Amino acid sequence: RKEVEQDPGPFNVPEGATVAFNCTYSNSASQSFFWYRQDCRKEPKLLMSVYSSGNEDGRFTAQLNRASQYISLLIRDSKLSDSATYLCVVNEGSGTYKYIFGTGTRLKVLA
Amino acid sequence: ETGVTQTPRHLVMGMTNKKSLKCEQHLGHNAMYWYKQSAKKPLELMFVYSLEERVENNSVPSRFSPECPNSSHLFLHLHTLQPEDSALYLCASSQDTSNTEAFFGQGTRLTVV
Repeated sequence: RKEVEQDPGPFNVPEGATVAFNCTYSNSASQSFFWYRQDCRKEPKLLMSVYSSGNEDGRFTAQLNRASQYISLLIRDSKLSDSATYLCVVNEGSGTYKYIFGTGTRLKVLA
Repeated sequence: ETGVTQTPRHLVMGMTNKKSLKCEQHLGHNAMYWYKQSAKKPLELMFVYSLEERVENNSVPSRFSPECPNSSHLFLHLHTLQPEDSALYLCASSQDTSNTEAFFGQGTRLTVV
């Protein structure tokens, strides 16, 4: 089983749609979780951290389910500019420096 | 403007060449990382330095040699690379291990011919 697993997509959605991505992780001791966004041929950029209580930033909502070992990202009212690859990242914490990346989920928002 | 700067942005090198990638972070972070990103693969952690001490070496071939002269600078020295080493090499930094996020440089796109 991969350490961090994501559906590669692509998810093709119309503007204004709501889209959700899930990401599963294998290490139950993982400490922290993030969603990054990566545009074509660019570096990954932090979109949001994922807290146990969940968190929301504008149109983006992230949730963590420790029991089932997955995190989710919900994007409401999709914009053309949301088209990118969304990377799920898990940090094993406990004094380690291992940020483990998923392969990413590609989103295309269509006009 | 990114707090992590990488040079060069693009590099083409022959298999017998020696070159170095440079990374500089302006964020006052304690940890710096090298990642490799190949097509259709997740980012692969190569090396981690914390306070200038190497703390992770992820079974990387010896043709890749990291150097961290101080907490703001990180190098990746390359020699006798193979074509399959062609990839995007990303540098990142983070404050520490306490569940803080990592910030990435723009990467060096390396092509080995």
